Amino acid sequence: EAQVTQNPRYLITVTGKKLTVTCSQNMNHEYMSWYRQDPGLGLRQIYYSMNVEVTDKGDVPEGYKVSRKEKRNFPLILESPSPNQTSLYFCASSLTLTLSYEQYFGPGTRLTVT
Amino acid sequence: KQEVTQIPAALSVPEGENLVLNCSFTDSAIYNLQWFRQDPGKGLTSLLLIQSSQREQTSGRLNASLDKSSGRSTLYIAASQPGDSATYLCAVRGNYGGSQGNLIFGKGTKLSVKP
Repeated sequence: EAQVTQNPRYLITVTGKKLTVTCSQNMNHEYMSWYRQDPGLGLRQIYYSMNVEVTDKGDVPEGYKVSRKEKRNFPLILESPSPNQTSLYFCASSLTLTLSYEQYFGPGTRLTVT
Repeated sequence: KQEVTQIPAALSVPEGENLVLNCSFTDSAIYNLQWFRQDPGKGLTSLLLIQSSQREQTSGRLNASLDKSSGRSTLYIAASQPGDSATYLCAVRGNYGGSQGNLIFGKGTKLSVKP
C-alpha cells in the first residue's frame, strides 16, 4: 500500500531533550516536506527536500533540523525542544520536482514538550 | 505573500443537503490547488487536485472548481452524509520566495452533517 508513515504517533518529552520524528514513504517520491499544525494558525511548512541531500527551509524552520540521506526517509530533528514546539506534525511527499503533483500526508505526530 | 481564506469557518447542515465550501487566495500565480479532508486527530486525506490550467475536477459526490484569475475555488458536496463530517482544507501550491513547492493552507471549514 502506498503511504507515508511517521513515528512516533504521540510523544511527550521535556524541554531540551533531543528527539527525532521519523518519516518514510514507499512511493519513490522525490519531494518531501514537514508541516506543523497549530490551532488558529493552520498548517505551516517547516522544511522541505527536493531530493536526496537537497533540503531547504520553509516558513517556520527555527528550532528544527532535517536530513535526507535516502530517498524514502526524511527525519525531523529537534535538538533542544521547547514548549512552543508543542504541535501536531505532518510529513508529506509528492512525486517529482515538477510541482503539479499532489502531496500525500502522513498520519501525524502529536508532540507535547513540557 | 500568498494568503488563503476559507469561508465559512464552520458549517452545520442536515443530511441530504447539497453544500458549497469556499476558498479564496490572494496570489493567482499558483501551480495547483488541492482540497483535503481532516478527521479529528487524524492526518490529511487528499480529495481533489486541480491544476492551474484546469477549471474543475470531480470525484464521486465531490466537485471542485477553480477560477485562478479571481483567486477562488469552491468544493461542492452533493447529497451530504454524516460521514462527510470533518474539517475541509484548501491549499495552493506555488513558488513563493525561497520555499519552492510550499503548500499554503487555509484554516479550514469544519463541516457537521446531522442525521
